[in-house]
Amino acid sequence: AQSVSQHNHHVILSEAASLELGCNYSYGGTVNLFWYVQYPGQHLQLLLKYFSGDPLVKGIKGFEAEFIKSKFSFNLRKPSVQWSDTAEYLCAVIDGGSQGNLIFGKGTKLSVKP
Amino acid sequence: NAGVTQTPKFRVLKTGQSMTLLCAQDMNHEYMYWYRQDPGMGLRLIHYSVGEGTTAKGEVPDGYNVSRLKKQNFLLGLESAAPSQTSVYFCASSSAGLGNSPLHFGNGTRLTVT
Repeated sequence: AQSVSQHNHHVILSEAASLELGCNYSYGGTVNLFWYVQYPGQHLQLLLKYFSGDPLVKGIKGFEAEFIKSKFSFNLRKPSVQWSDTAEYLCAVIDGGSQGNLIFGKGTKLSVKP
Repeated sequence: NAGVTQTPKFRVLKTGQSMTLLCAQDMNHEYMYWYRQDPGMGLRLIHYSVGEGTTAKGEVPDGYNVSRLKKQNFLLGLESAAPSQTSVYFCASSSAGLGNSPLHFGNGTRLTVT
């Protein structure tokens, strides 16, 4: 079964710093990849997704992620973070087809200092 | 504009007690899911449903039962609660399979079993 690794448990940045959060999945083939975000006190919401096509995917709030098949990676990036980006970020991959399980990583907590 | 609503928001149970968590969605989604979120573990799928009257086991189904008698509702039951079931439970729904549509999450239910 698929697994997802998020290497950073907690990242602390100052405003305007650049962000890159790592996400690796365990095996190849056709993959559907997602980044979800959970702001403090709010429910999880979709940040961006990759199904096929352009490996550079743009999401909401200036986030983007790049799918690199050879590295089994789907890293999340933002050029300049804001205090409002403080949240938990979860990478996820579909396991076993479109009705299969959505496997989540353990999450990365991002704290942005004003 | 309710989306996915979970009740209750908080609950404390004693070991051996039973309870039911209710998830309701008003988006006419076919697919519904129950996840639990534990520190350092990410989100793990408990059970899911691909339509009214159907249920299936996810990654961590033991100790839980579910029912989907109505399309809009997905119930998660704990027959005999254990401290290991202390967690935050999230319900989610989607209009199609995971490969075709994103998940919409509820705000979570924080359950403590003493």
